[in-house]
Amino acid sequence: QSALTQPASVSGSPGQSITISCTGTSSDVGGYNYVSWYQQHPGKAPKLMISDVSKRPSGVSNRFSGSKSGNTASLTISGLQAEDEADYYCSSYTSSSTLVFGGGTKLTVL
Amino acid sequence: EVQLVESGGGLVQSGGSLRLSCAASGFTFSIYWMHWVRQAPGKGLVWVSRINSDGSSTSYADSVKGRFTISRDNAKNTLYLQMNSLRAEHTAVYYCARMGEDGVSPDYWGQGTLVTVSS
Repeated sequence: QSALTQPASVSGSPGQSITISCTGTSSDVGGYNYVSWYQQHPGKAPKLMISDVSKRPSGVSNRFSGSKSGNTASLTISGLQAEDEADYYCSSYTSSSTLVFGGGTKLTVL
Repeated sequence: EVQLVESGGGLVQSGGSLRLSCAASGFTFSIYWMHWVRQAPGKGLVWVSRINSDGSSTSYADSVKGRFTISRDNAKNTLYLQMNSLRAEHTAVYYCARMGEDGVSPDYWGQGTLVTVSS
């Protein structure tokens, strides 16, 4: 199972919005509404930000939103804040009943 | 509060074995499916394995099939990962994670335990 494709890095200024894409195939992202997004700060464990394409767990800021079109899912962060600077990973259920992650995207808040 | 605490990592020679443990608390461990996910130094997350709530069903990434075994002891609220025939490419932080409400993706993660395989 190949990793999902994410941009290596994105950046934005405080207050701006950014979008991170996550591209897979019809056997994973495109075939199921089981895309999740994780935030990971250096040296820390991943934190679930979005599940089921667009559901925000309790306690996650509504500045984070998710969507999907075809084989590509997206995470949008609006009103960028300094503490949003982190690595972000997408994940998807696959047709093999396994889980696959994206390669990760480093978000820099300028 | 959900807590997952991994242990058992360390330095092992190539070809050796390790058993990782993950102690769970703050939730009813016996009804949740669980995952292991690894992260090589400076690299991304890679799914390793998952187990259902009573341990009767398991799934593995192709890269570890036949080499790693996931198991659990619900009486001890503990998840395990037995790793055999280790190679340098298995060097990583290994995280245990609870499967979330969607029945697929991890929601809560432990802090991880580092496994270093020396060649």
